[in-house]
Amino acid sequence: DQQVKQNSPSLSVQEGRISILNCDYTNSMFDYFLWYKKYPAEGPTFLISISSIKDKNEDGRFTVFLNKSAKHLSLHIVPSQPGDSAVYFCAASEGSSGTYKYIFGTGTRLKVLA
Amino acid sequence: EAQVTQNPRYLITVTGKKLTVTCSQNMNHEYMSWYRQDPGLGLRQIYYSMNVEVTDKGDVPEGYKVSRKEKRNFPLILESPSPNQTSLYFCASRSGGADTEAFFGQGTRLTVV
Repeated sequence: DQQVKQNSPSLSVQEGRISILNCDYTNSMFDYFLWYKKYPAEGPTFLISISSIKDKNEDGRFTVFLNKSAKHLSLHIVPSQPGDSAVYFCAASEGSSGTYKYIFGTGTRLKVLA
Repeated sequence: EAQVTQNPRYLITVTGKKLTVTCSQNMNHEYMSWYRQDPGLGLRQIYYSMNVEVTDKGDVPEGYKVSRKEKRNFPLILESPSPNQTSLYFCASRSGGADTEAFFGQGTRLTVV
């Protein structure tokens, strides 16, 4: 059972426009969410995170929104740049479990067209 | 430079031949873990370790072993590899709880024939 889902395997966006990547989860005990970016032949790198006590976190061009009632989070990239082309993974964790474990989604491949 | 180093980067082996993928981090992190990435399945945790001599199973531990004798090293051992273990493997470390970012190695692409 996939507890963290990224239903869009791929997304194409024109340079300068907004990219919106979505992530849904099923476990209401998740209390921390992260986004990682992965380029080919490299390991994932941390992008941005959000705690369940917030509904928005911003870092430069990247903003993550959390809708707890819908169990949904999204990553907005504005404006999108060709260098943003990568696979994006969302991840969720349940801090109260004490295992410090992340559950990752299946990833969305973003392609920003110049 | 803070980093997680995995070796080898690429490996082709035959069914049943024991192999070890090494992982080392230089950040004095307590928490380390191994993931495999497969198409359509994302990153799935194989094993994790919360400190020296403390390891536990993740979501897909079958066919794998790990050890944590030193804080910096967390090798992944495949005692008898099988073709279904062909995958892209990542080691990761982080300093503490789930609200801290993880640092990933560059990956090991393993093919078992």
